[in-house]
Amino acid sequence: ILNVEQSPQSLHVQEGDSTNFTCSFPSSNFYALHWYRWETAKSPEALFVMTLNGDEKKKGRISATLNTKEGYSYLYIKGSQPEDSATYLCAFSSTGNMLTFGGGTRLMVKP
Amino acid sequence: EAQVTQNPRYLITVTGKKLTVTCSQNMNHEYMSWYRQDPGLGLRQIYYSMNVEVTDKGDVPEGYKVSRKEKRNFPLILESPSPNQTSLYFCASSLGVTNEKLFFGSGTQLSVL
Repeated sequence: ILNVEQSPQSLHVQEGDSTNFTCSFPSSNFYALHWYRWETAKSPEALFVMTLNGDEKKKGRISATLNTKEGYSYLYIKGSQPEDSATYLCAFSSTGNMLTFGGGTRLMVKP
Repeated sequence: EAQVTQNPRYLITVTGKKLTVTCSQNMNHEYMSWYRQDPGLGLRQIYYSMNVEVTDKGDVPEGYKVSRKEKRNFPLILESPSPNQTSLYFCASSLGVTNEKLFFGSGTQLSVL
């Protein structure tokens, strides 16, 4: 079973703060890295899928970077809003047919 | 509307009573998979399917069966449920293999007494 770790486990920020979290994964045999946003009582929704070293993706105030050689991806949220409160999941694939999820980072944004 | 439909949302059953959780997608996706979510453990893959009649084990397949007789459907079968299978289950699908984003169903909260 592959080791995919996310840090921190939880994070409390004030509205307007910018924040970032980390996803670490094995640096060998990289295929794809996913980020999902999971709100309480809902289903996970895809934010980004990255496949190339150096990939940078952006969606509104959320962006992500990827370093496959060192085995990490960062997710950034600029100017956090209360509606950004959710658990953010990353998922790693080394083979192209299975995804291994990290434990998630739970973000809480206080108004 | 493009979606993954998963039923039921909630299910309480007793040990040993066979059950099936259904999953259907209307996006003509090749890839489908099942996950379970347990506190502190993240989403763990149970089974996946790359195409019709092609299924394979994920990280935690023990106690589960799946089938993929049609492209749109991927049911999860618990032949003899046990209390350690109490969990939140998600079905998901995607266009291709894991370089395409997953679309998740609404989840099934299963309790085995």
